[in-house]
Amino acid sequence: EIVMTQSPATLSVSPGERATLSCRASQSVSSNLAWYQQKPGQAPRLLIYGASTRATGIPARFSGSGSGTEFTLTISSLQSEDFAVYYCQQYNNWPSTWTFGQGTKVEIK
Amino acid sequence: EVQLVESGGGLVQPGGSLRLSCAASGFTFSSYEMNWVRQAPGKGLEWVSYISSSGSTIYYADSVKGRFTISRDNAKNSLYLQMNSLRAEDTAVYYCARWGGITMVRGFDYWGQGTLVTVSS
Repeated sequence: EIVMTQSPATLSVSPGERATLSCRASQSVSSNLAWYQQKPGQAPRLLIYGASTRATGIPARFSGSGSGTEFTLTISSLQSEDFAVYYCQQYNNWPSTWTFGQGTKVEIK
Repeated sequence: EVQLVESGGGLVQPGGSLRLSCAASGFTFSSYEMNWVRQAPGKGLEWVSYISSSGSTIYYADSVKGRFTISRDNAKNSLYLQMNSLRAEDTAVYYCARWGGITMVRGFDYWGQGTLVTVSS
């Protein structure tokens, strides 16, 4: 089973600053990684897939990078609507298993 | 507009059963692979089950294998999750989620609003 580990658990950032979130896989998942944003009381929203491709309608301030076991989600200049929990998800073993990380909460500093 | 609307959640006793439904609209449901994902209160996301577009291929997380059954009715644009032998640890919001693979979007590109299942005596 592939285990996804996100860090940090909580990230305190001021509006306008850059946020860098990390996701590590216990074994290589190639570029088969997605990022989701979830706000309180809402369903998750797909941000990034294929490690670096933005989903439809996602602002350019969101970018993803990495391959293999190390991945990064960067929010270049945090807006008020970006404060949320972010999850990474590997789908290297699609369709038999998908695994989410435990999430990183981005909060206002 | 793509919409996924779950229903069927509620309070059930340990050992009981519940059937969740997900009504799809705004896209050709029969062309898409679908999943159930759950989220325990205050916790992260957990993938539960997958079904191919035709329904011929199905997978489950180990935590629900043998107790949950996923199915779909393409004529009714609906996805289902039959949950038996429910345990307290199954308490969660259950989301249906579309896998966007047919459009080359490798992710769960649309989600329902979720339905809460509470297992408690």
